[in-house]
Amino acid sequence: QVQLQESGPGLVKPSQTLSLTCTVSGGSISSGDYYWSWIRQPPGKGLEWIGYIYYSGSTYYNPSLKSRVTISVDTSKNQFSLKLSSVTAADTAVYYCAAHRGSIAAADYWGQGTLVTVSS
Amino acid sequence: QSALTQPASVSGSPGQSITISCTGTSSDVGGYNYVSWYQQHPGKAPKLMIYEVSNRPSGVSNRFSGSKSGNTASLTISGLQAEDEADYYCSSYTSSSTRVVFGGGTKLTVL
Repeated sequence: QVQLQESGPGLVKPSQTLSLTCTVSGGSISSGDYYWSWIRQPPGKGLEWIGYIYYSGSTYYNPSLKSRVTISVDTSKNQFSLKLSSVTAADTAVYYCAAHRGSIAAADYWGQGTLVTVSS
Repeated sequence: QSALTQPASVSGSPGQSITISCTGTSSDVGGYNYVSWYQQHPGKAPKLMIYEVSNRPSGVSNRFSGSKSGNTASLTISGLQAEDEADYYCSSYTSSSTRVVFGGGTKLTVL
């Protein structure tokens, strides 16, 4: 069974870049069996899909965040990463990484989530 | 404002059945059989309960079932149990550039 674990700073200053990494175990990113995505949830609010990457490096981003988002993959480390630039307080959220075996609308496996707070 | 509309809350007594609706448009729920449902307990990550409208992942109780009619999808939980108390979110593939949309979530209270 695929397991995912997010890591990265829990506090980011406004206007800086948020950087998170998701380490995958129990499966290989390069197998091509999954899409790998980032999803966030502001405190007390609903879910927002950020974007996904395939092992080949092809990506798709939520248009509302596209100008600020980069998702990349490192198959040698079995990791994929999220960078979100020019952050504001509105980017404060729990960030989840997830794996989708079929449709990108169905995330089969999730990381535990990591809270990132944007504050000076 | 979420792209998919869910009731803010539903409630039911142990043993009863409840249904949560998820209303979208012909560009998402109505146009594709790619509707999913997630269960989220406080402080935990969401868990996939239903995918492709009515399919249950391995290990999910058969008390959970999904269906769709037109632009509205539904999640039904039968034989309610205390541990079913959680937030439930629907999601759908969409033909818009967003690709994936979520509902605003429904808080299920087991009385």
